[in-house]
Amino acid sequence: NAGVTQTPKFQVLKTGQSMTLQCAQDMNHEYMSWYRQDPGMGLRLIHYSVGAGITDQGEVPNGYNVSRSTTEDFPLRLLSAAPSQTSVYFCASSTRDSRSSYNEQFFGPGTRLTVL
Amino acid sequence: AQSVTQPDIHITVSEGASLELRCNYSYGATPYLFWYVQSPGQGLQLLLKYFSGDTLVQGIKGFEAEFKRSQSSFNLRKPSVHWSDAAEYFCAVGAGAGRRALTFGSGTRLQVQP
Repeated sequence: NAGVTQTPKFQVLKTGQSMTLQCAQDMNHEYMSWYRQDPGMGLRLIHYSVGAGITDQGEVPNGYNVSRSTTEDFPLRLLSAAPSQTSVYFCASSTRDSRSSYNEQFFGPGTRLTVL
Repeated sequence: AQSVTQPDIHITVSEGASLELRCNYSYGATPYLFWYVQSPGQGLQLLLKYFSGDTLVQGIKGFEAEFKRSQSSFNLRKPSVHWSDAAEYFCAVGAGAGRRALTFGSGTRLQVQP
């Protein structure tokens, strides 16, 4: 298994440009999420999905769109990039085993985004 | 809402010395607590977790953490640090179904001197 993969690893955008950060997992995990990591602030949840066709907002959703058409993929879209979106973005996935009180999350390697 | 505080932004220890990284949390119910490690340019790896039971939990790479409810703390320890332990360490509390909604602290960067 490749686990959780993210592309690209690095990206530089100009203000106002749009782009999509890709996230894929091959573990058949129902739950997927996006975090951003900023210096001195830890990771903050942007959006998450509990299954194909179902998404919801996290702590910092503004400026980001998501959709979940398949179990494997959970892309994050920036429609009009802003310098405040310069960050490292991590995707994570886990099962939704209701028999367990805890579903471990597996993180991808991250995408470093710079918006000029 | 839950929160996590890691009061030490940066810690430097000598190789072979002991280590303790501090974590304080705020959560209304029984917390599910985690420590993650992030090596440079890498994603996050789970070191250990606490749900209930024994308040001293063992993790990978020789790390352990102690849950102290009275102090709302979950400090990470290692008796003897190796140079390969240099990384950033994040404490987190999990909420919601499956405890998947993680709230992270701001992280502690560990530097190891030879």
